[in-house]
Amino acid sequence: GENVEQHPSTLSVQEGDSAVIKCTYSDSASNYFPWYKQELGKRPQLIIDIRSNVGEKKDQRIAVTLNKTAKHFSLHITETQPEDSAVYFCAAKRGSTLGRLYFGRGTQLTVWP
Amino acid sequence: NAGVTQTPKFQVLKTGQSMTLQCAQDMNHEYMSWYRQDPGMGLRLIHYSVGAGITDQGEVPNGYNVSRSTTEDFPLRLLSAAPSQTSVYFCATGTVSSGNTIYFGEGSWLTVV
Repeated sequence: GENVEQHPSTLSVQEGDSAVIKCTYSDSASNYFPWYKQELGKRPQLIIDIRSNVGEKKDQRIAVTLNKTAKHFSLHITETQPEDSAVYFCAAKRGSTLGRLYFGRGTQLTVWP
Repeated sequence: NAGVTQTPKFQVLKTGQSMTLQCAQDMNHEYMSWYRQDPGMGLRLIHYSVGAGITDQGEVPNGYNVSRSTTEDFPLRLLSAAPSQTSVYFCATGTVSSGNTIYFGEGSWLTVV
């Protein structure tokens, strides 16, 4: 099956700085890469996703980049705010239908005011 | 996301007991799944279903049973609880027509003593 590795496991930044979280995947057939944010005691919620036919996608302060050749993708958060503090998970899936979505182990992001 | 309902929210079991975690959705999603979340391990897929009468194993299926007799419900059964099954369990649903996005329930905290 797919193996998704996520780094770093913890990340601390000052408010206003940028944060970058990186993931690698093993299955070259994976074609869908979502990112989820989980606040303490809450459910994971989708914040952005990217498909293998796209190299970059932006949504306000959040962007995701995908390098299919190297099999890695990254989450970029600019102008970080304290409310960005949470655990972020990357994931990967192959195929056109819903099935097995494999998650990384998560990154605890802390934004200091 | 009121469309995915998990019960119970909290449960304490004794080793060897059996129980069922319930997941119900009213969004007519064909896809339903169960994940467990353990510290430092991310979200790991237990079982999933792509429609009524269809189930398949995920990454960590041992010790768990599922069935999908209706589109709305996807119960997860622990046959003989073990301390290693102490975890937070999330039900997640999705549909291809929503672009493969999956939506998580609020979670069920299970402790096996």
